Amino acid sequence: QVQLVQSGSELKKPGASVKVSCKASGYTFTSYAMNWVRQAPGQGLEWMGWINTNTGNPAYAQGFTGRFVFSLDTSVTTAYLQISSLKAEDTAVYYCARALGPVKGFDPWGQGTLVTVSS
Amino acid sequence: SYVLTQPPSVSVAPGQTASIICGGNNIGSKSVHWYQQKPGQAPVLVVYDDSVRPSGIPERFSGSNSGNTATLTISRVEAGDEADYYCQVWDSSSDHWVFGGGTKLTVL
Repeated sequence: QVQLVQSGSELKKPGASVKVSCKASGYTFTSYAMNWVRQAPGQGLEWMGWINTNTGNPAYAQGFTGRFVFSLDTSVTTAYLQISSLKAEDTAVYYCARALGPVKGFDPWGQGTLVTVSS
Repeated sequence: SYVLTQPPSVSVAPGQTASIICGGNNIGSKSVHWYQQKPGQAPVLVVYDDSVRPSGIPERFSGSNSGNTATLTISRVEAGDEADYYCQVWDSSSDHWVFGGGTKLTVL
């Protein structure tokens, strides 16, 4: 079945970097765009951007430029989110989510990765 | 940027019908997608393209979209439907996905 499996929780100090992985299976990885969504504690869903899994070209939402980088390793059908210069306000659950199509919804979602930034 | 507005909470008794609205300027011209998120879990797509149910989603979930309001309707509400629900659209003017703020459905 179509599945996205993310890496485990991370505890990082301010200023450090983190790389979250999202392993896809059950479908042709390069046929569907991959999106990243952030959910801060007790808050709603915030779209971070997406990456074209065919070309590797990323697009970032407002507020997620500079410290956030999307990448791929198509040989292992995995997408990555790297966040540098971590701040306390980056503490959140980060989800990857496959887009069904250009303006279609997201299905499925990864289980989420909790990134905690604390000194 | 495009804004989607949802009521923070909706309450309904078991067996009744819950309607969760999502407001946006001329949202009827866009495709609306709805997600269910239970505590500690990832969101799940329950309706896409205004009114299409993914496989495995009960027929009790339905959607509509017209004018400035999209609606997710849950018929014969069950205790297991208690969750946060989010609407989503693609804003072509900014090339951004937009989520509503979410509605907490409480089953009384």
